[in-house]
Amino acid sequence: DTEVTQTPKHLVMGMTNKKSLKCEQHMGHRAMYWYKQKAKKPPELMFVYSYEKLSINESVPSRFSPECPNSSLLNLHLHALQPEDSALYLCASSQDPFRNSPLHFGNGTRLTVT
Amino acid sequence: AQSVTQLDSQVPVFEEAPVELRCNYSSSVSVYLFWYVQYPNQGLQLLLKYLSGSTLVKGINGFEAEFNKSQTSFHLRKPSVHISDTAEYFCAVRRGNNDMRFGAGTRLTVKP
Repeated sequence: DTEVTQTPKHLVMGMTNKKSLKCEQHMGHRAMYWYKQKAKKPPELMFVYSYEKLSINESVPSRFSPECPNSSLLNLHLHALQPEDSALYLCASSQDPFRNSPLHFGNGTRLTVT
Repeated sequence: AQSVTQLDSQVPVFEEAPVELRCNYSSSVSVYLFWYVQYPNQGLQLLLKYLSGSTLVKGINGFEAEFNKSQTSFHLRKPSVHISDTAEYFCAVRRGNNDMRFGAGTRLTVKP
């Protein structure tokens, strides 16, 4: 069992749809991350929130919009996605954003864009 | 910028044999290194971490890794693998605050 919970586990959406991915942790962690993982590839960093403020945006297209409503929740809003955006989206958290804090991952949302 | 290179994309091994998964890092400053495992259809699970101190780090599931500064390596080892160890293994480095980057991954396949 993971302490980072992601919902939904699977999502199929059309290119004109609007959907959201949700991530929740109750470990008191103050940094949260979104990663994108294509098949047989490593996770690629998308966004980092540190103390509820966006600290890293890896030049992600604006059709992906992150939101951090509070220290326990992280959302990723999706709009007008492309088929190449189909991937496993992983949420992670760490105790703090500093270099010695390992990341704890959720099991991901498998997204398919049709 | 700090990065990691995993030298083997696939490692097949027979059950109960020893295994080593190789990882080299590039950095001119102090590093924080991690190994993660990913089972099919799951997220990443932390196996072990090197932050400072002893260069031999022990992790979960019988894995260990040795930090070698002179060879800039952080290889993962297990003396005897099980079928259940079949998974993807990622070496990772913290690239400063707020940032963690992963190697390309090594697919470990344990055969009966």
